[in-house]
Amino acid sequence: DAGVTQSPTHLIKTRGQQVTLRCSPKSGHDTVSWYQQALGQGPQFIFQYYEEEERQRGNFPDRFSGHQFPNYSSELNVNALLLGDSALYLCASSLETSGKSRDTQYFGPGTRLTVL
Amino acid sequence: QKEVEQDPGPLSVPEGAIVSLNCTYSNSAFQYFMWYRQYSRKGPELLMYTYSSGNKEDGRFTAQVDKSSKYISLFIRDSQPSDSATYLCAMKIEYGNKLVFGAGTILRVKS
Repeated sequence: DAGVTQSPTHLIKTRGQQVTLRCSPKSGHDTVSWYQQALGQGPQFIFQYYEEEERQRGNFPDRFSGHQFPNYSSELNVNALLLGDSALYLCASSLETSGKSRDTQYFGPGTRLTVL
Repeated sequence: QKEVEQDPGPLSVPEGAIVSLNCTYSNSAFQYFMWYRQYSRKGPELLMYTYSSGNKEDGRFTAQVDKSSKYISLFIRDSQPSDSATYLCAMKIEYGNKLVFGAGTILRVKS
């Protein structure tokens, strides 16, 4: 059973650049959520995608955007990178049940982004 | 004040000890409670998942939820060096989409 996969594993960018991170959900899952985890902190919710639409968004600026494809995979885009965007970016997948988000979320290994 | 509070530790115990990890929360709407284990530079791995109040046991792990006190616990029996990791508590409201995490507790089990 394929778990959640993310690419790339590591990424180094400079301030002002743009980055795209990719996620494939666990087999059978249809919902993808993205989290940012700063060093020594718990993950912070960025947004969630279901049926190719952003369903809910956390307290992140518009520089953070995403997309979900018909095969349920997802991308996270961050524009105008700041030093403070350096973090582990985690993708989590889950299965919508009866139109309500009841199932818990399974995480991928993350993409470590360093902004210089 | 954060919605979920968790002592960051580190908590250092000898091999074989019983470990108690805890979180408190302020949002009484939380209904789903989870514990994740995260090894260094890896993604969180789901350990326990509990709905509403009560206890749940899985092998050496027991999760407890006390909604009246807004307090959740994870107990690890017969702790092993391989249990050394960061333990994250997470919570979700009914029909909610996002998980709200604590900061994580670093656990070190010494052999």
